[in-house]
Amino acid sequence: EDQVTQSPEALRLQEGESSSLNCSYTVSGLRGLFWYRQDPGKGPEFLFTLYSAGEEKEKERLKATLTKKESFLHITAPKPEDSATYLCAVQGTGGTSYGKLTFGQGTILTVHP
Amino acid sequence: GAVVSQHPSRVICKSGTSVKIECRSLDFQATTMFWYRQFPKQSLMLMATSNEGSKATYEQGVEKDKFLINHASLTLSTLTVTSAHPEDSSFYICSARGGRVRETQYFGPGTRLLVL
Repeated sequence: EDQVTQSPEALRLQEGESSSLNCSYTVSGLRGLFWYRQDPGKGPEFLFTLYSAGEEKEKERLKATLTKKESFLHITAPKPEDSATYLCAVQGTGGTSYGKLTFGQGTILTVHP
Repeated sequence: GAVVSQHPSRVICKSGTSVKIECRSLDFQATTMFWYRQFPKQSLMLMATSNEGSKATYEQGVEKDKFLINHASLTLSTLTVTSAHPEDSSFYICSARGGRVRETQYFGPGTRLLVL
């Protein structure tokens, strides 16, 4: 069974204070690892898809990296508008539901001005 | 882009009535659509997976007669909550695959259902 664990559960940063969110996973054959951002009362917003170990993706202040066991979401010089819940999910090659995602519990990021 | 819309965004209904939620992929054809439920301060729980023109696949513990899913076209899926009860009150979110990034699900904005 695929599993995803995110840490920390909550992270408070000062504006400009860089940090990283962790996503540890176990999966039977990785089709993709996904990062989403979710604001309260809204659906998840797609950030990145990573397909294989060593891959990196960047977008503005965010950078996602992937190894065979974990992924990191690095946030450089965050701003208050980066405050949200960040969700990590994996899709494996096993199972009967094609395309099914396994989500972590999320990291609640709060950036103070 | 890869935009997914949901309608309505909020709905309040009386116990015993049925509610239909629409999910549309606006700028791509969705090979597969998914329906999730999210409780406060929890992650997303997959309810069912649907492919255009075929029956939906429901996750264990999800009543298929309670939550009817129709995937009539490559851009539209509907979820009907039949004979809704207060315990069905929740945040329902759909997603669609087939957009510009391979294997990626794009999520709708969600529908808040309150059953009185």
